[in-house]
Amino acid sequence: GAVVSQHPSRVICKSGTSVKIECRSLDFQATTMFWYRQFPKQSLMLMATSNEGSKATYEQGVEKDKFLINHASLTLSTLTVTSAHPEDSSFYICSARVGGADSPLHFGNGTRLTVT
Amino acid sequence: AQKITQTQPGMFVQEKEAVTLDCTYDTSDPSYGLFWYKQPSSGEMIFLIYQGSYDQQNATEGRYSLNFQKARKSANLVISASQLGDSAMYFCAMRDLFSGGYNKLIFGAGTRLAVHP
Repeated sequence: GAVVSQHPSRVICKSGTSVKIECRSLDFQATTMFWYRQFPKQSLMLMATSNEGSKATYEQGVEKDKFLINHASLTLSTLTVTSAHPEDSSFYICSARVGGADSPLHFGNGTRLTVT
Repeated sequence: AQKITQTQPGMFVQEKEAVTLDCTYDTSDPSYGLFWYKQPSSGEMIFLIYQGSYDQQNATEGRYSLNFQKARKSANLVISASQLGDSAMYFCAMRDLFSGGYNKLIFGAGTRLAVHP
């Protein structure tokens, strides 16, 4: 089945530094990937839609200069949290779809970011 | 706007019994899709089952079935013969048609299921 790989699974960084999270589709090409954020005991909130070869589409309230998304190839999207602060600590999870609109999203295993 | 509601923050069930997790939705579009995902404590999101708005029959996948009541706008997940490994968060999600063609998924708040031996 379709597999989405996300790396790293956990990262701890100091306040003010930047962190890059990678999301790869391993056995399929993904022109579109979705980045979600999940705070403890809460639901998944869509942050942005990553589009191969073009700019990402951000959800309302998400700072595009803080959460930089690059989708340079059909199998790789990256999310960079710039100048991270403790409030950015969260679970970030990417996803992609194989097939049409009624196909499920396949998710990576997520990245738990802790900013100290 | 489209909306997904899960009103049960937590549910308990005895092992081997069946449990129903509620999900209601709101949309004005006649064509939509509903998904259920399971999230264990490890954090991964596992796809369980899908129901299309035009599907005539309720979806089933092994021990999972979807009680789809279109007029009531509900899509409840039924897990039969619960197992200890079913303990997890369960999310209902809807395909967002108003997403510029991207078909994003919007998620409900989730229900935490605990299966007791």
